Order: sequence, then C-alpha cells, then structure tokens
Amino acid sequence: QKEVEQNSGPLSVPEGAIASLNCTYSDRGSQSFFWYRQYSGKSPELIMSIYSNGDKEDGRFTAQLNKASQYVSLLIRDSQPSDSATYLCAGRRAAGNKLTFGGGTRVLVKP
Amino acid sequence: GAGVSQSPSNKVTEKGKDVELRCDPISGHTALYWYRQRLGQGLEFLIYFQGNSAPDKSGLPSDRFSAERTGESVSTLTIQRTQQEDSAVYLCALRVAGLSKGTDTQYFGPGTRLTVL
Repeated sequence: QKEVEQNSGPLSVPEGAIASLNCTYSDRGSQSFFWYRQYSGKSPELIMSIYSNGDKEDGRFTAQLNKASQYVSLLIRDSQPSDSATYLCAGRRAAGNKLTFGGGTRVLVKP
Repeated sequence: GAGVSQSPSNKVTEKGKDVELRCDPISGHTALYWYRQRLGQGLEFLIYFQGNSAPDKSGLPSDRFSAERTGESVSTLTIQRTQQEDSAVYLCALRVAGLSKGTDTQYFGPGTRLTVL
C-alpha cells in the first residue's frame, strides 16, 4: 500500500462545475498536507496547504482535512479549462520534513 | 519558482555513464530537497540538506546516487553508472518559512529531465 493514494483519473468535469479530488494516507504521523498543481512538462506548483482538521478556502480552491479518517480533499469551484492539470497530494510529518506524494490525479476541464 | 534554478534542463546520456545535476538556489535557504519524478508518477524523495546538519539520505535508491551541498549554496546530485530506470525528472525544492510555526512549505525548481539510453 502506498503511503499516499490518489485516483489517477482522468477526472473529467465541464467548465463551471466543481472538481472534487480525494487523497487518502496511511501514516498517522502525517500532520500537514499540500496540494500541488502540475501542468504537463512543468514542475509542481503549490496551490493549497492545510495543517489542521476542517476546511481551508483560498479563492476557488477549498482543501479539507480529516485526520481521523485519514483523508484530504481538494475542491475546485467554477472549474476553468486552465485548471486542466495533474493535482498532486502530499503529506508531511513535521515542519521541514520530506514530502510524501501520491501519484496524482489528472483533471480535464472541458469547455 | 522560489528563486531556484536547475541545470541542465535536459540531459541525455548513455547507460553506464555518470551524470551530475545542479541546483542553484538564491541565498538564504538553509533547507534544500531533491526529488525524482518518473513519467506519469508522483514525486519520490531522495535527499534533504538542512544547514550544517547531516543530510537525510534515506530516499536515495542505491549507492550509485550521491549529493553534496556546501552551506546554503549550490547542491549537486550525482548518479554513477546510470541505468535506464534512472530516467526521470529530478527536482530540487527549497523550504520557505510560513507565517507561523509549522507552516513552512516547499517550492520546486524547474527540474532536470534525465534520459538514459
């Protein structure tokens, strides 16, 4: 079992809809979680970080963390074609530690 | 992003050759990480440097891999006797402090795409 699991997709959503991405993790020592967006041929770009249970909103993005159930999710509201990318979920045990990544979910937003 | 460059951007080499990849951060970043991303996969941690502390080498896949960093300057990742399975994008990341304790994040450089023929 991988430490961080994501559905590889592709997740196809119509423009303007909500894209919902999920991530589960096995290491209960993980404290912080990150969502990176990666366009094809580019390096990952941090879009959200979440450090405590609950929701965190930033613009069209909402990250949700449930440590009891060991899952993290990312919602993208009003999806745009420019949101088409691979979204990587990563967990970390403590500040400064390495990130452990899932395999990524490919999202396709269709006009 | 985060003021880090990597070179070369692309490297094609023959199986069995040694390669050296470079990560060049702007000054002031004490923590530097190397990750590897194989095609279609997530990132795998390789090694982590934090100031003058001993590096965390727990992610290095074999003794063919080594990395160095002096102080807060350039880091080099060396792969000896390259194999085809070493083909991947090698990414360098810097830690950026957050507004409060424990909220630091990592920002990635553009990466080096290594192809071993």
